[in-house]
Amino acid sequence: AQKVTQAQTEISVVEKEDVTLDCVYETRDTTYYLFWYKQPPSGELVFLIRRNSFDEQNEISGRYSWNFQKSTSSFNFTITASQVVDSAVYFCALSEPRGGYQKVTFGTGTKLQVIP
Amino acid sequence: EPEVTQTPSHQVTQMGQEVILRCVPISNHLYFYWYRQILGQKVEFLVSFYNNEISEKSEIFDDQFSVERPDGSNFTLKIRSTKLEDSAMYFCANSIQGGGYNEQFFGPGTRLTVL
Repeated sequence: AQKVTQAQTEISVVEKEDVTLDCVYETRDTTYYLFWYKQPPSGELVFLIRRNSFDEQNEISGRYSWNFQKSTSSFNFTITASQVVDSAVYFCALSEPRGGYQKVTFGTGTKLQVIP
Repeated sequence: EPEVTQTPSHQVTQMGQEVILRCVPISNHLYFYWYRQILGQKVEFLVSFYNNEISEKSEIFDDQFSVERPDGSNFTLKIRSTKLEDSAMYFCANSIQGGGYNEQFFGPGTRLTVL
């Protein structure tokens, strides 16, 4: 069965520090997809990135970057020069195709607090 | 940009009452999902729905739960007889296609409080 582990429950950093959120996943499928979502205090889930299992290229989007390492089943997320607005809970998620639809399994989330 | 909407934003109900949570998906999306998040915990899959049928449901989604698209646009989650442990945030999600590559767009959630 699929599983997503986010070992860091809470992280506090001072503004402008870099921070990396860890994500380790388990799946028996060879084709799968990984996502990161942000949940700000207001509660909604905001999509950040997706990555498929065949694409191990790292990605950078502004201050955000993602490191996908298939060999270690990890999909880590780094925020560079953190800002107070980055304070939120971040969820890593694994999607496995099921015929015509997908089933998404979320990690337990990492609460990031950026201190001004 | 199209958005998923959910109503109500907060629902308070008495234990044993029926509740219906409503979602208006993005118009050309065909795959629909409900998730639950108990306060402070992770987001859990409840059910997926396509072509007016349940594709898959989790062990959480027991006989007390049902889903439907009553008018082809709204997507509802009904809980027949609420229990205290049903208190949670319920998220509706949808995707344009079913393949795993397509991200699911989430609604803002309905916070259900069962007293």
